[in-house]
Amino acid sequence: QKEVEQDPGPLSVPEGAIVSLNCTYSNSAFQYFMWYRQYSRKGPELLMYTYSSGNKEDGRFTAQVDKSSKYISLFIRDSQPSDSATYLCAMTYYTGTASKLTFGTGTRLQVTL
Amino acid sequence: KAGVTQTPRYLIKTRGQQVTLSCSPISGHRSVSWYQQTPGQGLQFLFEYFSETQRNKGNFPGRFSGRQFSNSRSEMNVSTLELGDSALYLCASSLGGASYGYTFGSGTRLTVV
Repeated sequence: QKEVEQDPGPLSVPEGAIVSLNCTYSNSAFQYFMWYRQYSRKGPELLMYTYSSGNKEDGRFTAQVDKSSKYISLFIRDSQPSDSATYLCAMTYYTGTASKLTFGTGTRLQVTL
Repeated sequence: KAGVTQTPRYLIKTRGQQVTLSCSPISGHRSVSWYQQTPGQGLQFLFEYFSETQRNKGNFPGRFSGRQFSNSRSEMNVSTLELGDSALYLCASSLGGASYGYTFGSGTRLTVV
């Protein structure tokens, strides 16, 4: 079983819809949670970054972390065609000297006109 | 400010050859991490360097190596290339690791024929 599970999609929604993307994880040591957006032929771009549990909002994006359920979500409001991309969740813990990101497989999102 | 710069963007190599990829982090960032991205395995951690020292390593064979210079620029080397090494190689830089977040470059797409 992978440490981080993410539905690969593809997920197709009409423009203006609310999108919900999710990841589950098994390692309770994870403390830092990130969402990246990756366009075709580009590197991942950091969208949201949260520490521990709770919600964080940035414009049309809201990230939620529920450490008790080992579940994180990204909500996109008023989705646009430009949001069409692959969304990757990532998480890590810090040992004091070293850290690495563990990624989900990514969810491909298509926002249609 | 300039982002993470990876060179070259594309490479085609023959099985058995070796290859060196380069990464220039964001100015002031001392941590550089390398990831391999393939359709089947997703993003997998290769190694992380901080102040010229490797402080974390993923589960890749010894053919994969790296180094970091005093100006924080990093190189990754793959020797005796195999067809399965074809992938997008991504570099991520950070001020210091997990608690600071990671910024990715656009990657080097390596094709082994």
